[in-house]
This record gives sequence, structure tokens and C-alpha cells, in this order.
Amino acid sequence: GQNIDQPTEMTATEGAIVQINCTYQTSGFNGLFWYQQHAGEAPTFLSYNVLDGLEEKGRFSSFLSRSKGYSYLLLKELQMKDSASYLCAVRLSAGFSGGYNKLIFGAGTRLAVHP
Amino acid sequence: DSGVTQTPKHLITATGQRVTLRCSPRSGDLSVYWYQQSLDQGLQFLIQYYNGEERAKGNILERFSAQQFPDLHSELNLSSLELGDSALYFCASSPGLGNTEAFFGQGTRLTVV
Repeated sequence: GQNIDQPTEMTATEGAIVQINCTYQTSGFNGLFWYQQHAGEAPTFLSYNVLDGLEEKGRFSSFLSRSKGYSYLLLKELQMKDSASYLCAVRLSAGFSGGYNKLIFGAGTRLAVHP
Repeated sequence: DSGVTQTPKHLITATGQRVTLRCSPRSGDLSVYWYQQSLDQGLQFLIQYYNGEERAKGNILERFSAQQFPDLHSELNLSSLELGDSALYFCASSPGLGNTEAFFGQGTRLTVV
């Protein structure tokens, strides 16, 4: 089966740094994505990791360890507008999902940023 | 704006009815994905089409079906609707078979009463 775990909720202070963890157990792995979703809106792409290590993109960084089935999203210099859900998603490799890549999502982490 | 268009934005219907949700992918994208998101739930993968053919299936109920047309737009048909089918239904598209990120439409909010 496929299992993606994230904390349900987190809170942080404006200007601070927050790390959102994601662990996964999947049959086949071909990349990990992070999306941001404001309530009632479409998810928007934040980052993508397929190899181990850190990918930095402005205030957002994402880390992947394939051997540990672990990723985190790091948000720096938090702003109020960063209050949203953050979705970890794993792309299953084609051999394990009927021949074609499939993107499955965790339940998301709801982040509340306070002044 | 992701370039993915979904219609309608909102839909209210009664139990037992049938509805059709429509999705136009980004220009040039061949893959279309459908997801269901119930209140406070994660995105549940339903089905993927690539260039008109079904390519991957998730937890899609037998009462639900989808297709992708020659112009690459896709429709998700939901029949014999139940209260529990109330959710946000998202469509996403990508250029190929999942080698890049998927871009999401704004979703259709379905309310079954």
C-alpha cells in the first residue's frame, strides 16, 4: 500500500522558520513534490525533489532522503500569507502504478502563522 | 492562473442525480488528472488520462467515470450521487506522463443535498 504521513497542524510566528516533515512508504518512488493550498483554492506547486539533498527556492527549501523515506519543507522569514495547507505528494514510478506515473498526496499540514 | 480551466465552479444537486464536471488542460498538456478533496481531507487521486486514453486509476467509485476527448478536454461524470460525494473536485494537467509537476485548476465544489 501507499502511505504518506505529515503532521496535521503547525503554528509559527511571523518572521520565524518552520520545518514541515513528510514520511512516506510507497511501492515505487519517482519524485516528491510539495504543494501549497489555501483554503478552498487550487494547490500550487512549490518544489520537487527526485535525488537526495536540498533544493532551495527563495524562502522555501525542500530536502529529500530516499533511503529514509523522508522529506521536509523549510519555510523561512514566515509571512502571514504563508498560512495555508502544505501538501506532500509522491510520484510513484511507472512500474508500480500500472505503467504510468501517478501522483499521490498526503493529507496535508495546516500551517497557521501568527503575528 | 495555472491555465487549467474547470467548469462549473459550484454545483448543487440532489441525491440520486447525475452531474458532469468539465476540465480544459493547459495548452499543450496531454495528461489530465482528476482528484477529489472532501472537507479537511487530502487529495484523493481518482483517474488519469493521457492523450485520450485512460492511464492510471485510483480510488474511483464505479458510479464515477471519466473520459478525455480528442481536443484533450476531459469530463468527470458522477452518477447516483450520495451526500458523501460532496467535495471539491480538482483537475490537473501536465505535459507528459507525470515527468513534471501537475498544474491544478480552481476546482468544482459539488454539494449534494
